[in-house]
Amino acid sequence: DAMVIQNPRYQVTQFGKPVTLSCSQTLNHNVMYWYQQKSSQAPKLLFHYYDKDFNNEADTPDNFQSRRPNTSFCFLDIRSPGLGDAAMYLCATSGQLSSYEQYFGPGTRLTVT
Amino acid sequence: GQNIDQPTEMTATEGAIVQINCTYQTSGFNGLFWYQQHAGEAPTFLSYNVLDGLEEKGRFSSFLSRSKGYSYLLLKELQMKDSASYLCAVRDSGGGADGLTFGKGTHLIIQP
Repeated sequence: DAMVIQNPRYQVTQFGKPVTLSCSQTLNHNVMYWYQQKSSQAPKLLFHYYDKDFNNEADTPDNFQSRRPNTSFCFLDIRSPGLGDAAMYLCATSGQLSSYEQYFGPGTRLTVT
Repeated sequence: GQNIDQPTEMTATEGAIVQINCTYQTSGFNGLFWYQQHAGEAPTFLSYNVLDGLEEKGRFSSFLSRSKGYSYLLLKELQMKDSASYLCAVRDSGGGADGLTFGKGTHLIIQP
């Protein structure tokens, strides 16, 4: 039944050690988003893909990269995680660029030691 | 840029009605959304307003006034399971970015 799947649910990485978070969807949606949500804060959009077109938010640090090898999968790569990157990372999808509903995955909670 | 304000926390009683307000200042506007988020879980969609007025959906209603930059979420017949954070989010009409800008959320506590 799961429509947007994120693995792993919990990830621990060391300071400076690259880490990849994964998102997959069974909805065949065109658009996939990555949000960062720190404790007690709002989700913040990092970037999104419309099909293969990548759209980066202006204030997303270069340390954050994304890949979308096909419609179903999207990855978030953090090249050199810092302590400030500890957060919940949420993947979301929508059926078209102006669709009013975004479907969120359960999130991956990243801890940086 | 976008600025979205909503109260940090509210408390209400089971069976009662609660209204959660949201104000926004945006450079563009293409819809306002309300999401519910239980602790440690993903946000789930509740409602969408793009035109002024009230949208009703079961126990939940959402209102929008674009001229005032104001929305509210109304929850009726409150249940204990409604204890959660409620996130107001705005879609900017400008550019190719179509993600949402979220407020910090209102933590709603339901008391018996």
